[in-house]
Amino acid sequence: DTAVSQTPKYLVTQMGNDKSIKCEQNLGHDTMYWYKQDSKKFLKIMFSYNNKELIINETVPNRFSPKSPDKAHLNLHINSLELGDSAVYFCASSQKNLGTGELFFGEGSRLTVL
Amino acid sequence: AQSVSQHNHHVILSEAASLELGCNYSYGGTVNLFWYVQYPGQHLQLLLKYFSGDPLVKGIKGFEAEFIKSKFSFNLRKPSVQWSDTAEYFCAVLLDSNYQLIWGAGTKLIIKP
Repeated sequence: DTAVSQTPKYLVTQMGNDKSIKCEQNLGHDTMYWYKQDSKKFLKIMFSYNNKELIINETVPNRFSPKSPDKAHLNLHINSLELGDSAVYFCASSQKNLGTGELFFGEGSRLTVL
Repeated sequence: AQSVSQHNHHVILSEAASLELGCNYSYGGTVNLFWYVQYPGQHLQLLLKYFSGDPLVKGIKGFEAEFIKSKFSFNLRKPSVQWSDTAEYFCAVLLDSNYQLIWGAGTKLIIKP
């Protein structure tokens, strides 16, 4: 069983569209994250949820809206996509507040905006 | 601002060569340190971590890293690499001030058979 799974793996879309990426973890973790990996490979945290509560909300455009229906799921919705949104988005989970320091990652969702 | 720098973006080695990947961070407080690896087509996974104690830590697949506090460094080493070590390696630092992970830009390692 995949511990952290995200869908879709690849997403190609036009500017201005709205799209969502879903993430689910079956590790029983309390905390989930969304990271953006840009073309230079930097991993930047976007959001973090602890037991459905938003705890980290970095400076990202408000076109990005995370939703956590329960602690095993953290979805990312993006409105009015722009070229600069093209990146790989990684979902991750951890014990509460990085208790052991280990993040468990999904395989990434590569978003290409044309 | 806190940052993590990995000096080499690309490293190409032959099998059996020794490996050292550099990682330096800028933060004066207490840190926990990590190396993650991403094999081609796979997700990021933890290679090793340092929390406290012996500054020389051993991870999976024969990797080790040494925390040198005075140099703010946590370099990754392996005495003899294999073709299967071809991957991207990321250094990350957990700050005690806000419990956020700061990531390096990664080093792409290619091992020639």
